[in-house]
Amino acid sequence: EAQVTQNPRYLITVTGKKLTVTCSQNMNHEYMSWYRQDPGLGLRQIYYSMNVEVTDKGDVPEGYKVSRKEKRNFPLILESPSPNQTSLYFCASTGGSYEQYFGPGTRLTVT
Amino acid sequence: KQEVTQIPAALSVPEGENLVLNCSFTDSAIYNLQWFRQDPGKGLTSLLLIQSSQREQTSGRLNASLDKSSGRSTLYIAASQPGDSATYLCAVRSYGQNFVFGPGTRLSVLP
Repeated sequence: EAQVTQNPRYLITVTGKKLTVTCSQNMNHEYMSWYRQDPGLGLRQIYYSMNVEVTDKGDVPEGYKVSRKEKRNFPLILESPSPNQTSLYFCASTGGSYEQYFGPGTRLTVT
Repeated sequence: KQEVTQIPAALSVPEGENLVLNCSFTDSAIYNLQWFRQDPGKGLTSLLLIQSSQREQTSGRLNASLDKSSGRSTLYIAASQPGDSATYLCAVRSYGQNFVFGPGTRLSVLP
């Protein structure tokens, strides 16, 4: 089954404690993205990757890092999380026709 | 910079009604437009993808149209059901730009 998986699904952490949210897709897609969704602000792109070792900033990259060492994986790294990064995070994988497939989301709370 | 809006922000209809959701975008040079459904606290489910060369796409009770010149897309839902209650999002992929999402329309279908 074609899918995008994210882990963990829920995470509560404290300010400054580094964390990684993993994302994996099994569709052999080259393009992958990370979004955050906040009430009143909608979905905003954090980072995207056009292929292995190729990443670029989206609209709200501050405070986040990504890496793309393998085509299937695209982890999101928060090296020093702050409360304003409390949000619902989505990973997406995009096929050749630019149709996006989304993961189930990760709800992050930073206290 | 591409901006996407959706009207109405919220809609409540009785079961069985046909309804139209609207999506507008400011830059007509788009690659494609995708409609999604999102249930509360859940991920995004792709409903329809319209490439820039297409005028409409249909899937079951759903029909999406695209008018690039006027910067508009509509999602038509026939014979609405309570299970259609969700937030509906449109996303635009522009040439040379990333995906931009609209704020969504929250639909409630009353039994």
